[in-house]
Amino acid sequence: GEDVEQSLFLSVREGDSSVINCTYTDSSSTYLYWYKQEPGAGLQLLTYIFSNMDMKQDQRLTVLLNKKDKHLSLRIADTQTGDSAIYFCAESLRGSQGNLIFGKGTKLSVKP
Amino acid sequence: KAGVTQTPRYLIKTRGQQVTLSCSPISGHRSVSWYQQTPGQGLQFLFEYFSETQRNKGNFPGRFSGRQFSNSRSEMNVSTLELGDSALYLCASSITGVDSPLHFGNGTRLTVT
Repeated sequence: GEDVEQSLFLSVREGDSSVINCTYTDSSSTYLYWYKQEPGAGLQLLTYIFSNMDMKQDQRLTVLLNKKDKHLSLRIADTQTGDSAIYFCAESLRGSQGNLIFGKGTKLSVKP
Repeated sequence: KAGVTQTPRYLIKTRGQQVTLSCSPISGHRSVSWYQQTPGQGLQFLFEYFSETQRNKGNFPGRFSGRQFSNSRSEMNVSTLELGDSALYLCASSITGVDSPLHFGNGTRLTVT
């Protein structure tokens, strides 16, 4: 069955890089997503990558995809206190309508 | 462009009652999906609508239902509320619902007492 795994917590110092990792099990994934959730808010789409790509960069965000190992990572450069939030990895399966499989989320704490 | 709008933001209901939540998608988006978020189970897919038709459904009891209108706005209904239905209910819209990114609203926080 489908499953997406993430570590639950990550703590970094302001100005450092953060790397949040995710593994997924279903090889029929078409797109993989990263969402950010701040307290009391919904999910904000940060970035996404098509499954035939290896890397995508968008300003401070870099997504790396290792399809062979089914491993996805999100790197945030120059992490700021405003980046403190929960980050969710999600996969969409081929042909699936509106149904993303989410990980449990990684809580990123940025210390000044 | 306005984002996904969900109303109300907060609801408090009593066991046994029913509730209706509303979602207005981003203009031009025809697919609306609903998710339940709880601390224990995380984010779980409820159902997806496209052109007023339910195309996909998650593993939830029949007490959870939804509909979509011709303007793509959607509502979900939960009947005979149980304490375990307390959750954040998130609506997401996308252009087609298949291989197009989902954009989420801020959710409706439902508390059942």
